[in-house]
Amino acid sequence: DAKTTQPNSMESNEEEPVHLPCNHSTISGTDYIHWYRQLPSQGPEYVIHGLTSNVNNRMASLAIAEDRKSSTLILHRATLRDAAVYYCILSGLYNFNKFYFGSGTKLNVKP
Amino acid sequence: DSGVTQTPKHLITATGQRVTLRCSPRSGDLSVYWYQQSLDQGLQFLIQYYNGEERAKGNILERFSAQQFPDLHSELNLSSLELGDSALYFCASSVFWRGGTDTQYFGPGTRLTVL
Repeated sequence: DAKTTQPNSMESNEEEPVHLPCNHSTISGTDYIHWYRQLPSQGPEYVIHGLTSNVNNRMASLAIAEDRKSSTLILHRATLRDAAVYYCILSGLYNFNKFYFGSGTKLNVKP
Repeated sequence: DSGVTQTPKHLITATGQRVTLRCSPRSGDLSVYWYQQSLDQGLQFLIQYYNGEERAKGNILERFSAQQFPDLHSELNLSSLELGDSALYFCASSVFWRGGTDTQYFGPGTRLTVL
């Protein structure tokens, strides 16, 4: 399973943008990049996914490097509710859909 | 609310016992996944079923087994329980069996405590 590397923790101020990085240097051409987050005492929650192009949805934006060896999840205006552990996961198009979660990035949002 | 339901929410039992965790997937989803989250090992994939058949296996112990029934709900059976089996057990569901664009939706989890 292709692995990802994320910082253990990050801190942000409320209502400011947050950029959460992820390195995936061994990504293959058919691996999709998924982001999930886990709020305290809850199950993981889907945030966004992409393959090559940058993606936007109501929750966040995903910026993917041209060589696809890294990506960045962007929360445009962090709220206290965004405090969670964020996981960057690779999901291969021709593989079984089992997720390797890694240790993720714990985001702390300060009021 | 993800649409995935898990019962029970909490389970307390003794070492050596056997328990069954239940999961109902989102309407329309054919795949069910089981994950274990413990403090020292993080979130780990255990097993995947698709339309009643086992599709992928992860770090699942031989004492653990799962199945998916014709109505697509799934059960995870844990036997000869040890203290180290205490963890949160999450079920997830998705439409397909393979990776790529398929999104997994997670349930609220079952917290198992083995005393």
